[in-house]
Amino acid sequence: QKEVEQNSGPLSVPEGAIASLNCTYSDRGSQSFFWYRQYSGKSPELIMSIYSNGDKEDGRFTAQLNKASQYVSLLIRDSQPSDSATYLCAVKEYSSASKIIFGSGTRLSIRP
Amino acid sequence: DTEVTQTPKHLVMGMTNKKSLKCEQHMGHRAMYWYKQKAKKPPELMFVYSYEKLSINESVPSRFSPECPNSSLLNLHLHALQPEDSALYLCASSQDFGTSSYEQYFGPGTRLTVT
Repeated sequence: QKEVEQNSGPLSVPEGAIASLNCTYSDRGSQSFFWYRQYSGKSPELIMSIYSNGDKEDGRFTAQLNKASQYVSLLIRDSQPSDSATYLCAVKEYSSASKIIFGSGTRLSIRP
Repeated sequence: DTEVTQTPKHLVMGMTNKKSLKCEQHMGHRAMYWYKQKAKKPPELMFVYSYEKLSINESVPSRFSPECPNSSLLNLHLHALQPEDSALYLCASSQDFGTSSYEQYFGPGTRLTVT
């Protein structure tokens, strides 16, 4: 059973600080990794994708991938109250017929 | 533009009704998906269409019937649903299915209530 694990939270971070969200996955064949943000009652929004080991930065967001440790993380710098949401980690193995496996999500709360 | 549209936004139906959910994308994507999401749970895959052909059916009950009339449209026909089918139904699309670049973009969803 392929699994994607996230701490459900809530993770409470003061405004302006760095929020660090973590995700581990069980399938070593995984090749594609995604972070989605989901506000309450809304649909998931893709915010980052990463395919190679290392860091990928996009504005205030940095995704980090370590395939040897089967670990992917999302850092949010200068956290804002609007970043309060559930963050879903999603993983896909390199296979023509495979689907994305979602983690259960981490609820992030930015306190003013 | 990464827009996927879904109609209706909200739907209330009885257990004997027949209704349809609609999804549309104009990004030239060749893969489209239906997901079901219950409160405080991640999206759960139901169906995948690739190049207008059904590629994955996650053992979904036959009261859910998908249809892909063309590469831009995806429907989900509903019949004789149960109250436990009440959920947020999400449509998504991606450029392709089966390649390593697999970014899926979600529509806003249809909030379905079965009474």
